[in-house]
Amino acid sequence: EPEVTQTPSHQVTQMGQEVILRCVPISNHLYFYWYRQILGQKVEFLVSFYNNEISEKSEIFDDQFSVERPDGSNFTLKIRSTKLEDSAMYFCASSGQIEQPQHFGDGTRLSIL
Amino acid sequence: AQSVTQLDSQVPVFEEAPVELRCNYSSSVSVYLFWYVQYPNQGLQLLLKYLSGSTLVESINGFEAEFNKSQTSFHLRKPSVHISDTAEYFCAVTHLRGSARQLTFGSGTQLTVLP
Repeated sequence: EPEVTQTPSHQVTQMGQEVILRCVPISNHLYFYWYRQILGQKVEFLVSFYNNEISEKSEIFDDQFSVERPDGSNFTLKIRSTKLEDSAMYFCASSGQIEQPQHFGDGTRLSIL
Repeated sequence: AQSVTQLDSQVPVFEEAPVELRCNYSSSVSVYLFWYVQYPNQGLQLLLKYLSGSTLVESINGFEAEFNKSQTSFHLRKPSVHISDTAEYFCAVTHLRGSARQLTFGSGTQLTVLP
């Protein structure tokens, strides 16, 4: 069964550094998402992406965050200048048609030192 | 705005006993409802979904959930649990309007099946 894959599984970064989290969505999917889960808290929506542009974004997704689909297979989340509070598990998800369920990757654990 | 409440953060249950994990939602518009399961060190896996039609939906591994519009609930049940069902379970909702379908998650319920 096709899967969403995320790399790396764990990323350790110094505060203030830029980080890029990578995702390969399921190949024929059209809608792409990033979520995050701070330890002990709910899974929170960050951003959705369709037709090469952001469809929706949450209050968390401020100017420090950006997303990109640089080619036909990758979907990336960039945090420009990381803060301690960015430490979390970041999940990528994709779906085919808009009404279809989202399929999640295994996540990238981001640790900011 | 929509929200999801999972009242039980921890549910311990003995093997082969029945279990119910509760989920209530609030939304001003019609919604789709989902249950996702997260095993240790893994991502979120779709367990079952309610999009339309029959209010009782079933998964391949014996779980079922019933959409109750009047009570705004989508409780997850299994008549007999196995050790392998130990995991965290998340209820999620998405609205039917807009150009994308962001999921709003509950806080999760840790199901622990005891031998």
